[in-house]
Amino acid sequence: GAGVSQTPSNKVTEKGKYVELRCDPISGHTALYWYRQSLGQGPEFLIYFQGTGAADDSGLPNDRFFAVRPEGSVSTLKIQRTERGDSAVYLCASSLKYDSEAFFGQGTRLTVV
Amino acid sequence: KQEVTQIPAALSVPEGENLVLNCSFTDSAIYNLQWFRQDPGKGLTSLLLIQSSQREQTSGRLNASLDKSSGRSTLYIAASQPGDSATYLCAVSTGANSKLTFGKGITLSVRP
Repeated sequence: GAGVSQTPSNKVTEKGKYVELRCDPISGHTALYWYRQSLGQGPEFLIYFQGTGAADDSGLPNDRFFAVRPEGSVSTLKIQRTERGDSAVYLCASSLKYDSEAFFGQGTRLTVV
Repeated sequence: KQEVTQIPAALSVPEGENLVLNCSFTDSAIYNLQWFRQDPGKGLTSLLLIQSSQREQTSGRLNASLDKSSGRSTLYIAASQPGDSATYLCAVSTGANSKLTFGKGITLSVRP
């Protein structure tokens, strides 16, 4: 596609529920990153994929967070047993390779009530 | 651990002024540095990418410089316009996976 696409753009969920956030990277980009941005802060790294494998998941806050990229293209970030503290904007970025320019999607605003 | 600082947090200038936004980082072992623009409620738009071997990059009214040894970058905006009002974020790429470490951003307001 022309750019990085994230769906949904907004998600409101109840505490304790499970959510999935989707990222469609730019076609041909092998590197894919997830970041989380809280109000008034810069984005913080969550996880990096090179192809299909999670090469670095050191930014995931705990084991309720998990992400997959089964075919090396679309990625899904999964959050189990959501908590109010998970409320943030979740951003996806892709780049041609690991040290190339990063392009971001519009983000998914997650609100846990 | 890499840390990125952007000061001040907010800036207000009259239209037409030339301005400089500053960014500093603690670890000079970077692959590249990117400047982004973020409009309220939106994602990040890449403005300029400077590779670690480069000193500056230019795009239209924007010019970004990089001094890796001192851990500093500046984004110069010429002849500012109200449409330039947004938050500007600086990010450095480090580590084996080139993950980005961001500053908190500078919120710029250009008054007509």
